[in-house]
Amino acid sequence: AQSVTQLGSHVSVSEGALVLLRCNYSSSVPPYLFWYVQYPNQGLQLLLKYTTGATLVKGINGFEAEFKKSETSFHLTKPSAHMSDAAEYFCAVGPSGTYKYIFGTGTRLKVLA
Amino acid sequence: EAGVAQSPRYKIIEKRQSVAFWCNPISGHATLYWYQQILGQGPKLLIQFQNNGVVDDSQLPKDRFSAERLKGVDSTLKIQPAKLEDSAVYLCASSPGTGTGELFFGEGSRLTVL
Repeated sequence: AQSVTQLGSHVSVSEGALVLLRCNYSSSVPPYLFWYVQYPNQGLQLLLKYTTGATLVKGINGFEAEFKKSETSFHLTKPSAHMSDAAEYFCAVGPSGTYKYIFGTGTRLKVLA
Repeated sequence: EAGVAQSPRYKIIEKRQSVAFWCNPISGHATLYWYQQILGQGPKLLIQFQNNGVVDDSQLPKDRFSAERLKGVDSTLKIQPAKLEDSAVYLCASSPGTGTGELFFGEGSRLTVL
């Protein structure tokens, strides 16, 4: 069985500050891990993914995430927040080679001017 | 490349009425998914199609929900009769079915049941 936990349903950061959104997962098999972003009234868009190989994954819009197996974590970071980063972010986990993904409950990021 | 198309974007109905949502996936994508996203929650998979066959419908409330993908391209999700707790955004997604693991989502259909 798999599950994913996103700590913090709402996160506020100042413009230019570090963004850190937390995701912990459980999986009995090697997982695929994803971060998706959802802007208001839009569908989900892939930010980045980990499947195999390098554990530090770079995505779009300056975001990156690191797969830490020992901590069962896949936290999302961005060095400097922009106003346009305000959105809801979802972490997802699935068994490698399948598309049976479990999504977290989401973290709404607010960027303060 | 055109994205995943969904309609209608918004629908308001009374409980016990019926509603249908339509999805056209990205051209060539063999796999199509319907997700339910209730306010404050992450998307939950309702049904997955591979071409025109059902791969997984274990979380589809079959007493009221039905879905089809007759020609292996577009798909319809129907709810009959609707309940208040069906108020949600219904997201359609597609994937090529091999390799990348990425899902491509449509903008969703927001259902309000009164």
